[in-house]
Amino acid sequence: QSALTQPPAASGSPGQSVTISCTGTSSDVGGYDYVSWYQQHPGKAPKLLIYEVFKRPSEVPARFSGSKSGNTASLTVSGLQAEDEADYYCSSFGGNNNWVFGRGTKLTVL
Amino acid sequence: QLVETGGGLIQPGGSLRLSCTTSAFLIGSNHMSWVRQAPGKGLEWVSVIYTGGNTYYTDSVKGRFTISRDRSKNTLYLQMNTLSAEDTAVYYCAQSRLGNRKSFDIWGQGTLVTVS
Repeated sequence: QSALTQPPAASGSPGQSVTISCTGTSSDVGGYDYVSWYQQHPGKAPKLLIYEVFKRPSEVPARFSGSKSGNTASLTVSGLQAEDEADYYCSSFGGNNNWVFGRGTKLTVL
Repeated sequence: QLVETGGGLIQPGGSLRLSCTTSAFLIGSNHMSWVRQAPGKGLEWVSVIYTGGNTYYTDSVKGRFTISRDRSKNTLYLQMNTLSAEDTAVYYCAQSRLGNRKSFDIWGQGTLVTVS
């Protein structure tokens, strides 16, 4: 199964909004509402931000939101803060009891 | 809340067993996965063990890796055989508890496996 497609980099100024896309196929992103998003700071473990396309764990700020249209999912970070600078990964359940990740997007807060 | 151990330097063709334990919940009560990250690279799902005991693997490790759990020790394992340089990575264990349990909501700190 091929990795999901994410832009390698994204950026925005503090207070702005930025959207990161994640494109798969009808066998993963398009076929299931099981897209999740993770934030990873250097040298740290990933942290779940969004699950099942748009749901947020209780401890994740509402500034993080998710959506999906067809084979493409998106993560939007609103009101950018310096601590949002990190790598972001999407993931999708693939149906055959496997999961696929995107290659990651490095978010820079200007 | 999840703690992985067992990583280290191993020669090609060798074997290693990783462990993942927690005192916060019962390992067998949620789906548990291993996810790895090669140096400077992205995340790659490796294997899952469902609460019912069914196990699944990514194609590149099928026949070489075995995921298992010991409820009495509340520990998750990943037995890795016939290791190659391509298996060099930080290995994370992760829990799937939220919703329909198709995301990874709690992660360990990772353990580094170097095959050289």
